[in-house]
Amino acid sequence: DIVMTQSPDSLAVSLGERATINCKSSQSVLYSSNNKNYLAWYQQKPGQPPKLLIYWASTRESGVPDRFSGSGSGTDFTLTISSLQAEDVAVYYCQQYYSTLPTFGPGTKVDIK
Amino acid sequence: QVTLRESGPALVKPTQTLTLTCTFSGFSLSTSGMCVSWIRQPPGKALEWLARIDWDDDKYYSTSLKTRLTISKDTSKNQVVLTMTNMDPVDTATYYCARKFVDAFDIWGQGTMVTVSS
Repeated sequence: DIVMTQSPDSLAVSLGERATINCKSSQSVLYSSNNKNYLAWYQQKPGQPPKLLIYWASTRESGVPDRFSGSGSGTDFTLTISSLQAEDVAVYYCQQYYSTLPTFGPGTKVDIK
Repeated sequence: QVTLRESGPALVKPTQTLTLTCTFSGFSLSTSGMCVSWIRQPPGKALEWLARIDWDDDKYYSTSLKTRLTISKDTSKNQVVLTMTNMDPVDTATYYCARKFVDAFDIWGQGTMVTVSS
């Protein structure tokens, strides 16, 4: 199975400041035939199911604010919240769907400083 | 509007078999490329993918749980059923079903909390 790791485990950022979350896969999730990275990011608020934010590593899901952006390729990825808002307090998960057996990262908790 | 809803027992005893049903609307599991997965989340912990069934009835299971899981679908009822045998307290979690169409899990159900206790 592909193992996903995330860093940091948690971070606290001031309102309006940038938050950066890193995700690493144990093997490349870049599919060479279509040059797509099979990597997604989800946001989960307390008591709610996860919500898809980003897929193909950098494509925002419809309706997701443009302060959320994804980048990276191969095994190293980043989710950036450019200007943290109060409603962004949540746990963020990365997930690979390169394998038929998808795996999630352990999550990164984002709070307000 | 695409929705998924999980249903099943809130409490099961150790060694019992859990049966969960995902009832969905707004899409057809007969559509090429459409899949439904089950994912669980123990309290305060991370997400764990369990199983997936595809439009063509292909099935995939978590490596660590495959001996205990069975996934099936009833396309006419718009339902996907997951059974998990030999339940243990460590299986206490919120169980979600989610749709996958080509890429990531774009729509999730609200989840159903299952507690395993005698």
